Amino acid sequence: AQTVTQSQPEMSVQEAETVTLSCTYDTSESDYYLFWYKQPPSRQMILVIRQEAYKQQNATENRFSVNFQKAAKSFSLKISDSQLGDAAMYFCAYGSGAGSYQLTFGKGTKLSVIP
Amino acid sequence: NAGVMQNPRHLVRRRGQEARLRCSPMKGHSHVYWYRQLPEEGLKFMVYLQKENIIDESGMPKERFSAEFPKEGPSILRIQQVVRGDSAAYFCASSPLPTGMGELFFGEGSRLTVL
Repeated sequence: AQTVTQSQPEMSVQEAETVTLSCTYDTSESDYYLFWYKQPPSRQMILVIRQEAYKQQNATENRFSVNFQKAAKSFSLKISDSQLGDAAMYFCAYGSGAGSYQLTFGKGTKLSVIP
Repeated sequence: NAGVMQNPRHLVRRRGQEARLRCSPMKGHSHVYWYRQLPEEGLKFMVYLQKENIIDESGMPKERFSAEFPKEGPSILRIQQVVRGDSAAYFCASSPLPTGMGELFFGEGSRLTVL
């Protein structure tokens, strides 16, 4: 079974600075997808960024980018120019390739942004 | 285009009562997933449904829990004879494709409190 580990329960960053959230996963599959979801205090899960394992290029979405290291099974999220609205729980998630229906989530990292 | 709609947002039940949680997927989405989030935890997969069919219920407790997605109307997650350990946030998500091939669109969750 796949597992997702987020080793940082809490992180903090100064407004306008850069922060990196860590995620590692364990799988024997070669075809899969990785996601970062944001859960603000409103509790709704919002997709931040998505990476297909077969793509070597790291995904980027405005101020959010990932460092995907397939051999190391690492998928970290970098937030640049942090804003107060970035404060939230961030969850890393793993999805198998076609034929599987479940996302496996890590336990999350609580990010605080200091004004 | 309305997002995933869940209701009620908050539900309080006494031990032994029944809880019914409803989810209307995004327009055009035929894949519905239920996840449970316990305090300080990530989301855990419960069940995956398509219209009138349960595709994967491997994450669902064997007793007291059931789910349906009828031809007409919302998906329902039903918990019979609730116990305190059922207190959690229950999230519904929908997708146009099976998970792993695309992103999940989450609702805002239903928070169940069992007294």
